[in-house]
Amino acid sequence: EDQVTQSPEALRLQEGESSSLNCSYTVSGLRGLFWYRQDPGKGPEFLFTLYSAGEEKEKERLKATLTKKESLLHITAPKPEDSATYLCAVYDFGNEKLTFGTGTRLTIIP
Amino acid sequence: ETGVTQSPTHLIKTRGQQVTLRCSSQSGHNTVSWYQQALGQGPQFIFQYYREEENGRGNFPPRFSGLQFPNYSSELNVNALELDDSALYLCASSLTGFSGANVLTFGAGSRLTVL
Repeated sequence: EDQVTQSPEALRLQEGESSSLNCSYTVSGLRGLFWYRQDPGKGPEFLFTLYSAGEEKEKERLKATLTKKESLLHITAPKPEDSATYLCAVYDFGNEKLTFGTGTRLTIIP
Repeated sequence: ETGVTQSPTHLIKTRGQQVTLRCSSQSGHNTVSWYQQALGQGPQFIFQYYREEENGRGNFPPRFSGLQFPNYSSELNVNALELDDSALYLCASSLTGFSGANVLTFGAGSRLTVL
């Protein structure tokens, strides 16, 4: 069964302090790894899809990378508006579903 | 381009009752899936509908059932509500047929509280 583990559970950073969020996964055949952002009381908002090891994607202050066992979401010089829960999910061959981790709750302090 | 809309946004039910949640998929999308998100947890897959048929189901009992309509909108029905059914129910739509992994577009969710 697919497994996704995210760490840390919560992270507090000062504005401008860069850091990385980790997503470790176990799947039989990775079809895609997704990063979503979720604000309180709202549905997840799509950020990135990564398909193969070595792939990288960037969006504003966020950069996602993928290896065969994990994905990192690096945030550079974060701002308070980056505060949210970041969810990682995997989609594997044969399973028409996303398997999510429990998320990392990120707080950026002005 | 309209996004995914869900109704109602909040509702309170008592144990043993039944509930129906509704979802309108994003324009151009033909697949709908439902997820349950308990407080502090990641979303858990309930089931998915494509061409009005269920084509994938997670570890949820039969009292969770659904429908997809010809316009690709969908309903989630839960019978015999239990306290543990209290959660945010998320609907997501996607376009099946794309060769890569489908990107899901989520709605804002329906917050169900069971007393």
